[in-house]
Amino acid sequence: AQSVTQLGSHVSVSEGALVLLRCNYSSSVPPYLFWYVQYPNQGLQLLLKYTSAATLVKGINGFEAEFKKSETSFHLTKPSAHMSDAAEYFCAVSLYNNNDMRFGAGTRLTVKP
Amino acid sequence: GAVVSQHPSRVICKSGTSVKIECRSLDFQATTMFWYRQFPKQSLMLMATSNEGSKATYEQGVEKDKFLINHASLTLSTLTVTSAHPEDSSFYICSAMGQEFGAFFGQGTRLTVV
Repeated sequence: AQSVTQLGSHVSVSEGALVLLRCNYSSSVPPYLFWYVQYPNQGLQLLLKYTSAATLVKGINGFEAEFKKSETSFHLTKPSAHMSDAAEYFCAVSLYNNNDMRFGAGTRLTVKP
Repeated sequence: GAVVSQHPSRVICKSGTSVKIECRSLDFQATTMFWYRQFPKQSLMLMATSNEGSKATYEQGVEKDKFLINHASLTLSTLTVTSAHPEDSSFYICSAMGQEFGAFFGQGTRLTVV
């Protein structure tokens, strides 16, 4: 079965610094991969998704992620952190459709002034 | 982008009572909706898949008689937590699948059973 592992339950960066949130996937067939952001007591907002087109995917709010098959990774990056980026981030994998989507444990991003 | 509205955002109920949570797709038709449960500081766990006009498909370990799901129209799915107990307290999130793959999520419902 497909799964994702998010390395680091908590990441702390300074405002203006690079953001790097790590996600590795496991799947028997080419997967669809997603990054979501969740603010406190809110649902999930899709940041970006990989659906086998370009390996470098650009999303909203300046985030991007690169699909690396050789490393089975889909790490999320942003060149310069902003205070408003502080939230919980979830990586997710799906093989066929939404009802086989599986989420990682999440990474809490803290941005220090 | 597509909008999914979930109501209520927060509810407190007494143990033994039932609570209904609504999930609406506001600007698209969703033949399939999903219900997730999220415990504090944990990830989302899929509870069930709700298909318009048919019975929901529940994930293993989810009690279908306790978590009743109805998907009566293409824009509305409801989750009813019956005879709620304190251990049912959690954050419940719905998502709806439209034409664009990736699903759209509601804002979640914080259920507290006292």
